[in-house]
Amino acid sequence: SQQGEEDPQALSIQEGENATMNCSYKTSINNLQWYRQNSGRGLVHLILIRSNEREKHSGRLRVTLDTSKKSSSLLITASRAADTASYFCATVGSSASKIIFGSGTRLSIRP
Amino acid sequence: GAGVSQSPSNKVTEKGKDVELRCDPISGHTALYWYRQRLGQGLEFLIYFQGNSAPDKSGLPSDRFSAERTGESVSTLTIQRTQQEDSAVYLCASSLAQAPTYGYTFGSGTRLTVV
Repeated sequence: SQQGEEDPQALSIQEGENATMNCSYKTSINNLQWYRQNSGRGLVHLILIRSNEREKHSGRLRVTLDTSKKSSSLLITASRAADTASYFCATVGSSASKIIFGSGTRLSIRP
Repeated sequence: GAGVSQSPSNKVTEKGKDVELRCDPISGHTALYWYRQRLGQGLEFLIYFQGNSAPDKSGLPSDRFSAERTGESVSTLTIQRTQQEDSAVYLCASSLAQAPTYGYTFGSGTRLTVV
């Protein structure tokens, strides 16, 4: 079963605009991570936020975490064509060892 | 090695045949994961190895699937009597430890096609 569910499933925006993707999960977590996948192959780790953190930044990425709502958001500012990819959130449970991935958001950046 | 290496990168097999997929984790990474990703879908957890502990096999979909890992080195995922629904990309990831600070490193995957 999948822990995280991303919303929306697909997103198309104009280059230069900001892209926001959301993730909801069901059980308590140790941390939540966001990954990018190009061309359906290997995933690249983008950012990790711990359960005691509320917001984290990395370059053009901003991640928020609301443990009371069991949700997270990923904001990509000033989008570029190269940001076109699928984005997945992944959760690591507070006592579990494995990471559980959501179904992903397919982001398309229009030139 | 510098990254997680998976082989083969592509495999086409006939229905009913057995296949073996290989994953070489980053040296020193004690945790190793296998995931399956069907076309256009998310990642489905299969199995997790952590050091010398008993593996977490809770994600293996049937007894046709098995995986082994010797110590903290190479892992092999074996699918016996392959079926068409086994067609997917099989991804391997490794990490230094449980719930790591810096995330998990993925290999490029093996694309399995059962015809």
